[in-house]
Amino acid sequence: DTGVSQDPRHKITKRGQNVTFRCDPISEHNRLYWYRQTLGQGPEFLTYFQNEAQLEKSRLLSDRFSAERPKGSFSTLEIQRTEQGDSAMYLCASSDPLGTDTQYFGPGTRLTVL
Amino acid sequence: DAKTTQPNSMESNEEEPVHLPCNHSTISGTDYIHWYRQLPSQGPEYVIHGLTSNVNNRMASLAIAEDRKSSTLILHRATLRDAAVYYCILRDSSNFGNEKLTFGTGTRLTIIP
Repeated sequence: DTGVSQDPRHKITKRGQNVTFRCDPISEHNRLYWYRQTLGQGPEFLTYFQNEAQLEKSRLLSDRFSAERPKGSFSTLEIQRTEQGDSAMYLCASSDPLGTDTQYFGPGTRLTVL
Repeated sequence: DAKTTQPNSMESNEEEPVHLPCNHSTISGTDYIHWYRQLPSQGPEYVIHGLTSNVNNRMASLAIAEDRKSSTLILHRATLRDAAVYYCILRDSSNFGNEKLTFGTGTRLTIIP
């Protein structure tokens, strides 16, 4: 069990640029979640997949955000035309609904938009 | 979603027990009580969960009030590595598809050497 991994760990970008983050879940987990966390706050849900199907999206996920999980394994989260307000930690989690459905989180990608 | 209320911060001495309270007065009968913690610069990690009965695992114990309107996470012997933000979260087991975790601001636990 290698755990949930995320890449990159840190990303600095200029306002207006596009960024893409990757999440590799625990291999046997078919559920994958994205959360966003700003300083001093708890994580906020963005979206979740069961296999390759995106089953729920938060209102936080504006049109500039898109998430995919094309083969039901890894997932990507893309932010287009980044804004300073997008600066946050982006967390990925996975779970196995046939087990306890506990969510296991990755270390996160810290995005800074200048 | 039913809400939880936790103190913003707590301090405890190393090697002493810690009791972290959580109020959830609007809890429904199908809500499980989950605790996660987040160590500095890491993603949250699962600690423990329960429905009605008290629960123990290698990390902690969860004491649930008889009316289920409050619960307490117990760390039996705090170490410096337990310094983290602790989140109390309710998850509705009856609403299939409501899979997300709704975090509050949690309790920041400081361990004093």
